[in-house]
Amino acid sequence: GQQLNQSPQSMFIQEGEDVSMNCTSSSIFNTWLWYKQDPGEGPVLLIALYKAGELTSNGRLTAQFGITRKDSFLNISASIPSDVGIYFCAGQETTNFGNEKLTFGTGTRLTIIP
Amino acid sequence: DAGVIQSPRHEVTEMGQEVTLRCKPISGHDYLFWYRQTMMRGLELLIYFNNNVPIDDSGMPEDRFSAKMPNASFSTLKIQPSEPRDSAVYFCASSPTGLHSYNSPLHFGNGTRLTVT
Repeated sequence: GQQLNQSPQSMFIQEGEDVSMNCTSSSIFNTWLWYKQDPGEGPVLLIALYKAGELTSNGRLTAQFGITRKDSFLNISASIPSDVGIYFCAGQETTNFGNEKLTFGTGTRLTIIP
Repeated sequence: DAGVIQSPRHEVTEMGQEVTLRCKPISGHDYLFWYRQTMMRGLELLIYFNNNVPIDDSGMPEDRFSAKMPNASFSTLKIQPSEPRDSAVYFCASSPTGLHSYNSPLHFGNGTRLTVT
């Protein structure tokens, strides 16, 4: 099935630094989404991207839908302690049966060093 | 809105025992999803329902796993018999439609952490 490679697997940064992570897939998606998971909770949607080349911001977060439709990146500017967590990309595709399928990346664990 | 409610939060059981995980989706959401999260494999879709009907169960690992949705407000995921490799966090999620977007995002519960010894 679909494979989503997300990198880096983990990041250790200092407060105030910018963060960048990305996802690549083996085939094409029609929608890219980015989620954040806080400890002990389920993932929460941060940003959704609907077309190739789209660049979208949500506060300090910026994400882009790659031109090839096989990749996406997420940037976080001026990180703060509450940014700690696991970030997941997810790609949505229409299956042969006509329903939508969401595949998640393996996650990027962000830790902020005091 | 209380969000998606899962129970129990933690479950520790011995190999061979039956395990039942429960989920109450957000009222009015037509889609319900069961995911499994492990360090090695990340978030995997096990099965999802539309209007209480299972649509895609291709992610269910094997016959030991079964899921039901007897009504719009309740679903169960059952493992019988359980094995140590089933240890993971199991998430239930619901959404208004099957198309994931800002208008119809997946709402996850807080998960059930299952440990099988």
